Amino acid sequence: GAVVSQHPSRVICKSGTSVKIECRSLDFQATTMFWYRQFPKKSLMLMATSNEGSKATYEQGVEKDKFLINHASLTLSTLTVTSAHPEDSSFYICSARADRVGSPLHFGNGTRLTVT
Amino acid sequence: AQKVTQAQTEISVVEKEDVTLDCVYETRDTTYYLFWYKQPPSGELVFLIRRNSFDEQNEISGRYSWNFQKSTSSFNFTITASQVVDSAVYFCALSPHSGGYQKVTFGTGTKLQVIP
Repeated sequence: GAVVSQHPSRVICKSGTSVKIECRSLDFQATTMFWYRQFPKKSLMLMATSNEGSKATYEQGVEKDKFLINHASLTLSTLTVTSAHPEDSSFYICSARADRVGSPLHFGNGTRLTVT
Repeated sequence: AQKVTQAQTEISVVEKEDVTLDCVYETRDTTYYLFWYKQPPSGELVFLIRRNSFDEQNEISGRYSWNFQKSTSSFNFTITASQVVDSAVYFCALSPHSGGYQKVTFGTGTKLQVIP
């Protein structure tokens, strides 16, 4: 079945540094990938939609200069948390679907970010 | 606007009991998709099922079954003879059927604990 690989699974960084998270679709092409954030015991909050070859579409309230998204190819999207602060600590999950209407979202294993 | 409501925050059952997870949705779209995902303690999201709004047939997959009632906008999920490995957070989700960009809306999740 479709597999989405997300790396790293866990990262600890110091305040002020930047962290890059990669999301790859391993066996299908994905024009569109999605980045979610999940707070403890909470649902998934869509942060942005990553579009291959164009700018990402950010949800209301999400700072695009803080959460940089690059979708360089049909199988890779990256999320960079710039100048991270402790409040950015969270579980970030990417997802992708094959380019067919109604294809289900497949999720990466998530990245646990801790900013100290 | 789309909305998914999972009124049950947490459920505990004893192993081998049956359990039903409720999901009620709201949408203005005439055609849409409904999904269920499982999130075990390890964090990854596992796709369980996709249901097209055209198809109101109930579905059974092993110990899992889904009851789609369009008249009441519900898409409930039943686990028969629950097992400890079923312990997880379960998310119901909704997506429009139209082509192109399709935003998926998640419910707040139901945490299921199966006690041995």
